[in-house]
Amino acid sequence: QVQLVQSGAEVKKPGASVKVSCQASGYNFNDYYIHWVRQAPGQGLEWMGWINPNSGGANSAQNFRGRVTMTRDSSISTSFMELSRLKFDDTAVYYCARGNPQGAFDFWGQGTLVTVSS
Amino acid sequence: DIQMTQSPPTLSASVGDRVTITCRASQIISTWLAWYQQKPGKAPKYLIYKASILESGVPSRFSGSGSGTEFTLTISSLQPDDFATYYCQQYNSFPWTFGLGTKVEIK
Repeated sequence: QVQLVQSGAEVKKPGASVKVSCQASGYNFNDYYIHWVRQAPGQGLEWMGWINPNSGGANSAQNFRGRVTMTRDSSISTSFMELSRLKFDDTAVYYCARGNPQGAFDFWGQGTLVTVSS
Repeated sequence: DIQMTQSPPTLSASVGDRVTITCRASQIISTWLAWYQQKPGKAPKYLIYKASILESGVPSRFSGSGSGTEFTLTISSLQPDDFATYYCQQYNSFPWTFGLGTKVEIK
């Protein structure tokens, strides 16, 4: 069965970077985009960007451009999202999700809580 | 960016009620709309895509409709497991955007 398993919770100081991993199983990793979505405490869902595991090409929302880097290691079916220059309001649960051929997100990781605190 | 407006923000209902949630897009998105259900502390769950197509395994009491800019998610007979927050999402154009959510709570 399709599974996306993310790395554990992180606590970072303002200005630091965080790197979250998302390991896929149960399907051909290179066949589906991986998207990253975040959710601040008590708030809605915010799409951050996607990576094409096959080519490594990526694109991000304007809000994150210049601060987010999405990469992958196809040998271990894992995508990574690195967010730099962290601010207090980057505190959120970060999800990876598989983009299906229709463009929606059919499978999600369990989420990774990133807390930015001094 | 395409803005997605959901209403109502909160909905109080009883088991067995018919419930309808509305999602409006700020631009025409054809039927490139998905619905997700999220429970506290959990990842969203994929319910519906292309505005009206039920994902495999989703109970038939859920249905979606609409095209262009107006969409609805209907639960025909609310069950205890359905109390959750529901989000719409457009994937017509970059960047993908979500509505702010509708919380369905027990009356």
